[in-house]
Amino acid sequence: GESVGLHLPTLSVQEGDNSIINCAYSNSASDYFIWYKQESGKGPQFIIDIRSNMDKRQGQRVTVLLNKTVKHLSLQIAATQPGDSAVYFCAENGGNNNDMRFGAGTRLTVKP
Amino acid sequence: DTGVSQDPRHKITKRGQNVTFRCDPISEHNRLYWYRQTLGQGPEFLTYFQNEAQLEKSRLLSDRFSAERPKGSFSTLEIQRTEQGDSAMYLCASSYTQNEQFFGPGTRLTVL
Repeated sequence: GESVGLHLPTLSVQEGDNSIINCAYSNSASDYFIWYKQESGKGPQFIIDIRSNMDKRQGQRVTVLLNKTVKHLSLQIAATQPGDSAVYFCAENGGNNNDMRFGAGTRLTVKP
Repeated sequence: DTGVSQDPRHKITKRGQNVTFRCDPISEHNRLYWYRQTLGQGPEFLTYFQNEAQLEKSRLLSDRFSAERPKGSFSTLEIQRTEQGDSAMYLCASSYTQNEQFFGPGTRLTVL
């Protein structure tokens, strides 16, 4: 069936390096995507979103890239900091904004 | 703190007991969502309210689960005759539009 997934379950980077977290989706009806950050014991926290009429969106230290041709989404974090250590989820709406579908997540660990 | 609160934060119960969780969304948000998250997985959609109307339910929401939002503000999620497989984090989210959903801290349920 159609699903949202992540290429790597874990990612370890050195403090100050850039991080890239990838996500593959297969539902071609999806037109809205969100990246969430979840720290241990907390609910997911919104990082950045993007609609399908865009291929890039930038926030503060974060950039989301959307490649609709290959159904791929990525989150780039610039100058990664220890506070960025968390699990990162991509979520798609499957064409229905009432039902965000999450991938399994990537655990980002930032080494000092 | 996103402004969405959930109570209790933790609940331990014996198999067969009923449990009820409460979610208080951000006050101006008319949309409220319930998700379930198991260890190592992303949140899974359970149900969605727009104001007091429950507009969508996942097939994950068995007959033992019921959710209400009687006045279009806070919501409750009740699980009857709990089973060990119900052990999970139950997340509530709210939104004003069909966009960004703000998540609460979750209620962690352990069924013994």
